[in-house]
Amino acid sequence: ETGVTQSPTHLIKTRGQQVTLRCSSQSGHNTVSWYQQALGQGPQFIFQYYREEENGRGNFPPRFSGLQFPNYSSELNVNALELDDSALYLCASSTGQGEGGGYEQYFGPGTRLTVT
Amino acid sequence: AQKITQTQPGMFVQEKEAVTLDCTYDTSDPSYGLFWYKQPSSGEMIFLIYQGSYDQQNATEGRYSLNFQKARKSANLVISASQLGDSAMYFCAMREGPYNFNKFYFGSGTKLNVKP
Repeated sequence: ETGVTQSPTHLIKTRGQQVTLRCSSQSGHNTVSWYQQALGQGPQFIFQYYREEENGRGNFPPRFSGLQFPNYSSELNVNALELDDSALYLCASSTGQGEGGGYEQYFGPGTRLTVT
Repeated sequence: AQKITQTQPGMFVQEKEAVTLDCTYDTSDPSYGLFWYKQPSSGEMIFLIYQGSYDQQNATEGRYSLNFQKARKSANLVISASQLGDSAMYFCAMREGPYNFNKFYFGSGTKLNVKP
């Protein structure tokens, strides 16, 4: 196991609702990235947080937002849920490369979101 | 253009035999990293192997080796002596540039089935 935890494991929401997913990074890691993995596809990069600031974003609309806290844990918020938001949401943590970190990122087990 | 292409949606291999999973990539950045991840049905992404664009030798990690052909922009994963526990989805991924170390582009994956 990687030490990255995510909650909840599963979630069912209705279209139009809002959802918050949580991620605790591995000890010592200050960077968290979020990915969306639709069924049968590879993960798609949503955004990453480094030292509490967003410093990279993929092709996702503004209703996908996030936070990183002083302890480097992170939240992913999705507003106005759509049916296509149904997916596995993965977070991954790593150490900043500029701080002697390497290339590897460690993934959590994911949160499976179903929007009905 | 797709950053990562995996052309084999599914593969079968006999237990104890070797198997090669194909991956081609597209980038104009001279600095990049190539990764392979295994994703069992539980959903967690498990890091297998890494190859940097400037690495002169092919990466190896136990039964995993990466056949890196830079001119052809291919990074095939070779699994030797397949085991039943190797049955899973396998994703090839690329990180571009020295600073976007967490923005990974993933392929669509290859589902490997190991037969007894």
